[in-house]
Amino acid sequence: DSGVTQTPKHLITATGQRVTLRCSPRSGDLSVYWYQQSLDQGLQFLIQYYNGEERAKGNILERFSAQQFPDLHSELNLSSLELGDSALYFCASRGDRGEAFFGQGTRLTVV
Amino acid sequence: AQKITQTQPGMFVQEKEAVTLDCTYDTSDPSYGLFWYKQPSSGEMIFLIYQGSYDQQNATEGRYSLNFQKARKSANLVISASQLGDSAMYFCAMREGRYSSASKIIFGSGTRLSIRP
Repeated sequence: DSGVTQTPKHLITATGQRVTLRCSPRSGDLSVYWYQQSLDQGLQFLIQYYNGEERAKGNILERFSAQQFPDLHSELNLSSLELGDSALYFCASRGDRGEAFFGQGTRLTVV
Repeated sequence: AQKITQTQPGMFVQEKEAVTLDCTYDTSDPSYGLFWYKQPSSGEMIFLIYQGSYDQQNATEGRYSLNFQKARKSANLVISASQLGDSAMYFCAMREGRYSSASKIIFGSGTRLSIRP
């Protein structure tokens, strides 16, 4: 158990809809990363927050947004969903050496 | 720009044999960190091993070791005495720059390792 909690584990929704994925980092970790993993693909970095502030941005679509709250949990909002957004979405918090500790992921299926 | 390359999409290895998974990286920053992760079929990402760019010795964690060749910019993962449970996808990753609040981690495309009984 990495100590990172993601909810929900599975999500099925229709095209055009909006969903929110939630992440709680490990106790004491200030940093949260979001990654997208499409089927049989590597992990694409989306965005990073540190203590409530956005610190790094990857290839995140304009339809996607994220935030980190004062209690350090983070939410990733995906809107106007398309079939191609179906993927495994990971949240991670960062260890002492900069390594990422991942949650179990949210498997999003857009139908 | 930083980049991670894993050239082996898939590998088959006999149980109990050692296996080396290749990883090369590209960065202009003298300070960076290298990581390996395992992703079994269940989907979770499991952190295996870490190597810092200034570390003098190769990292080891149980049956995992990292063959770090800085001049060649390679960070190969070696798994000794492979087990059936080692069958999984393996990702090499890099944190560019000194550990800071803004350092992101990028991943290679992965190598699917299959262990034959």
